[in-house]
Amino acid sequence: DAGVTQSPTHLIKTRGQQVTLRCSPKSGHDTVSWYQQALGQGPQFIFQYYEEEERQRGNFPDRFSGHQFPNYSSELNVNALLLGDSALYLCASSLYSSGNTIYFGEGSWLTVV
Amino acid sequence: AQSVTQPDIHITVSEGASLELRCNYSYGATPYLFWYVQSPGQGLQLLLKYFSGDTLVQGIKGFEAEFKRSQSSFNLRKPSVHWSDAAEYFCAVGEPGGSQGNLIFGKGTKLSVKP
Repeated sequence: DAGVTQSPTHLIKTRGQQVTLRCSPKSGHDTVSWYQQALGQGPQFIFQYYEEEERQRGNFPDRFSGHQFPNYSSELNVNALLLGDSALYLCASSLYSSGNTIYFGEGSWLTVV
Repeated sequence: AQSVTQPDIHITVSEGASLELRCNYSYGATPYLFWYVQSPGQGLQLLLKYFSGDTLVQGIKGFEAEFKRSQSSFNLRKPSVHWSDAAEYFCAVGEPGGSQGNLIFGKGTKLSVKP
């Protein structure tokens, strides 16, 4: 049973560019959440997708957008990259109903130069 | 505002010694509580969680945590640390009854283990 898988694992982008990160949830899960973890910090919630809709959003600008597909996989898009967007981006999946544990992928390391 | 505080940025313990990592939270009601561990360059692995009931929670790898409502704390403990426990530990809170996708994390405590 595959866990949460993310791609790519590492990437380098230039300021002003756009990036797309991908996530496949754990088998049986229907909800995907995205987090940003800057170096030396705890993860910060970006947004959550369920039934192909954004259900909750953290304190992130509109440059951060997402999508969920019918197979529950998800993408995180970041436009107009800033140096400060350099971080580990973590995807987590779960069942939407209450009280379920969320499982994290190993993340995508984004470096903006 | 909802927040999680982990007062210790870095802790060093000797192998075989006991460990306690502190976590305090600020939340409107009693939240769901979690401890995660992150090895270098890796994602987060759930150690244990508290939703309700018995305030002493057992987790994986010999870890336990105790919820103290009066102190708004959820400290993580292990009686005897192994070298493989060296990692970063994060305390997190989630909305009670919610989908748990939106967790608030502390800044983490890095654990080093001396031989």
